[in-house]
Amino acid sequence: DAKTTQPNSMESNEEEPVHLPCNHSTISGTDYIHWYRQLPSQGPEYVIHGLTSNVNNRMASLAIAEDRKSSTLILHRATLRDAAVYYCILREEGSSNTGKLIFGQGTTLQVKP
Amino acid sequence: DGGITQSPKYLFRKEGQNVTLSCEQNLNHDAMYWYRQDPGQGLRLIYYSQIVNDFQKGDIAEGYSVSREKKESFPLTVTSAQKNPTAFYLCASSIVAAGYEQYFGPGTRLTVT
Repeated sequence: DAKTTQPNSMESNEEEPVHLPCNHSTISGTDYIHWYRQLPSQGPEYVIHGLTSNVNNRMASLAIAEDRKSSTLILHRATLRDAAVYYCILREEGSSNTGKLIFGQGTTLQVKP
Repeated sequence: DGGITQSPKYLFRKEGQNVTLSCEQNLNHDAMYWYRQDPGQGLRLIYYSQIVNDFQKGDIAEGYSVSREKKESFPLTVTSAQKNPTAFYLCASSIVAAGYEQYFGPGTRLTVT
């Protein structure tokens, strides 16, 4: 299973954009990049995923480097409710995939009013 | 409302007792998972089930057992053989195992003294 590296913590001001980086230098061609977030004392919540192209959804955007060795989760306007631990996860897609998610320690995002 | 329920939210047991954690989903998902989370750490996979009447060990299955007699239910038993059972336990499900986002329950915090 490929590994990801994320900063332990980041701070942001409310209503400003936030860029959460993730390095995955050993990513393989079949690995998708998934992001989940976990609010305090809750289960993780799916945020977004992508393979090669940048992706947008109602929660966030995912920017993937051309060589796929890094990616950035972008929250366009941080709110206090976005304060959470953000996990960057690599998953091999396909029929042989068990669905197992390999969680690292993630990035703890603090949002200041 | 569709979702995953885990009960109870907090559970206290004496050392040496087996305890069963409940996980129910009404999302009609085939795959279900149990994860364990220790303070300040990411999640680790205990067991997973891709279909009814079938389940496989995850990375830390020792001291745990599961059953999958119904599609909507995947109970986890923490046995007295588990050396450090105090943790936050999270159940998740996905449509199928391969390539889909996982939906997590609210978790059960187990304390064994």
